[in-house]
Amino acid sequence: DVKVTQSSRYLVKRTGEKVFLECVQDMDHENMFWYRQDPGLGLRLIYFSYDVKMKEKGDIPEGYSVSREKKERFSLILESASTNQTSMYLCASSLNFQGGVAEAFFGQGTRLTVV
Amino acid sequence: GENVEQHPSTLSVQEGDSAVIKCTYSDSASNYFPWYKQELGKRPQLIIDIRSNVGEKKDQRIAVTLNKTAKHFSLHITETQPEDSAVYFCAARIQGAQKLVFGQGTRLTINP
Repeated sequence: DVKVTQSSRYLVKRTGEKVFLECVQDMDHENMFWYRQDPGLGLRLIYFSYDVKMKEKGDIPEGYSVSREKKERFSLILESASTNQTSMYLCASSLNFQGGVAEAFFGQGTRLTVV
Repeated sequence: GENVEQHPSTLSVQEGDSAVIKCTYSDSASNYFPWYKQELGKRPQLIIDIRSNVGEKKDQRIAVTLNKTAKHFSLHITETQPEDSAVYFCAARIQGAQKLVFGQGTRLTINP
């Protein structure tokens, strides 16, 4: 079974704090993604990475950065947390899509509250 | 870039009836269209997908249809059961790209 594990299920942080969300996958997937899930807005892509040390901006990268130093780990960083970043954060991983299809496997999500 | 619109946002059907969720996409270069189901408190999981060279795909009570000309695809669930209650997301991937663009989600409720 593919496992995508996010370090925390629930987090409460204060405005202005630097926040780290960690994600680890155990299936040697090339691609890793960070999505934000808000009611009525679906899953919006923040950043993704298709290889170690490689990253690309998604649709809503402002206020976030990422780090992928090892293939199995993808970190999302909120440089200075704000209340509008209160949300459910979902990490996902997949094989490279080249030449076919690849299922995205999701972590259990981190519900972040910024107060 | 790709944009995916999903309708309706909420859908309520009687147990045993059929449910249909529709999505439209903007980029004609999209060639892969998966559907994910997210049960309450759980992670999204793939339930069915279709590639652009296929018009329809079935898996037991669920099916997906694709109309490339109109750039829309639909999820059909027949003989709905209480365990079908969940949020469903459609997605699209542009050929050659590594990311999936998701729709806004549909909350499906099956009434007993």
